[in-house]
Amino acid sequence: SQQGEEDPQALSIQEGENATMNCSYKTSINNLQWYRQNSGRGLVHLILIRSNEREKHSGRLRVTLDTSKKSSSLLITASRAADTASYFCATDKGAGSYQLTFGKGTKLSVIP
Amino acid sequence: DVKVTQSSRYLVKRTGEKVFLECVQDMDHENMFWYRQDPGLGLRLIYFSYDVKMKEKGDIPEGYSVSREKKERFSLILESASTNQTSMYLCASTPGRLSGEQYFGPGTRLTVT
Repeated sequence: SQQGEEDPQALSIQEGENATMNCSYKTSINNLQWYRQNSGRGLVHLILIRSNEREKHSGRLRVTLDTSKKSSSLLITASRAADTASYFCATDKGAGSYQLTFGKGTKLSVIP
Repeated sequence: DVKVTQSSRYLVKRTGEKVFLECVQDMDHENMFWYRQDPGLGLRLIYFSYDVKMKEKGDIPEGYSVSREKKERFSLILESASTNQTSMYLCASTPGRLSGEQYFGPGTRLTVT
C-alpha cells in the first residue's frame, strides 16, 4: 500500500515562479525524503527531513514537515527549465526501518 | 561519488525466458533494493537485501527472485518472464541499517513480448 501520496499529480509553471508540491502519509515515520527523477532515468535524492524537524532548506529547496497532519511540502523557488522532472516523497516505516515507501509523484513542467 | 550501475538500459525478452538484471554499487553499502516503476503506480519494492546472502521480500515479490553472493552485486531474476513484468526496474543502495538516502541506478527498461 502507498504510504506517501503527492499532490498535485501534475504542475505546470513559468520559469521564475515558485513550485509547491505536497505529500501526505498515513503512519508514523522516522524521516521523510524527497527525490527527483528526470524522464527515463533513476531517482536522485534531494533532501531528508527527520520527524523532529519542522523545516529544512537546501539551495532553492525548502521542505516542511507537519507530523500532526502527517504531511510535507516541497517548495522550489525561482524555478528553472532544468527543474522539469517528477518529484517523489518517500517515507520509512518508523524507527529501525530501512525500507522506503514512495508516492506516485508530481510531474513538474517548467516552461521557459 | 556513489555509483550504482545496472547491466542494461533497455532489454527485450520473450515470454517464458529467464531474465537476469544485475546491479553493482561501488561504495560498500550494506543494503540493496530492487523496485519496479509503472505509470500511475509509482515505485514498488520487489526485494531487498541487508547483507550478503540475506534477502527479504518487499511488497510485490511474486514472479521474482534475487541473489546476493557479493556485497557489491544484487541480481534480480525473472524465472519465467511474462508480459505483465514489462516495466522500468530500478536498483538502489544505502549504507547502514537506518532509512537514509538511497542511491539509485539509471534503471533498466524491460519489455517482455
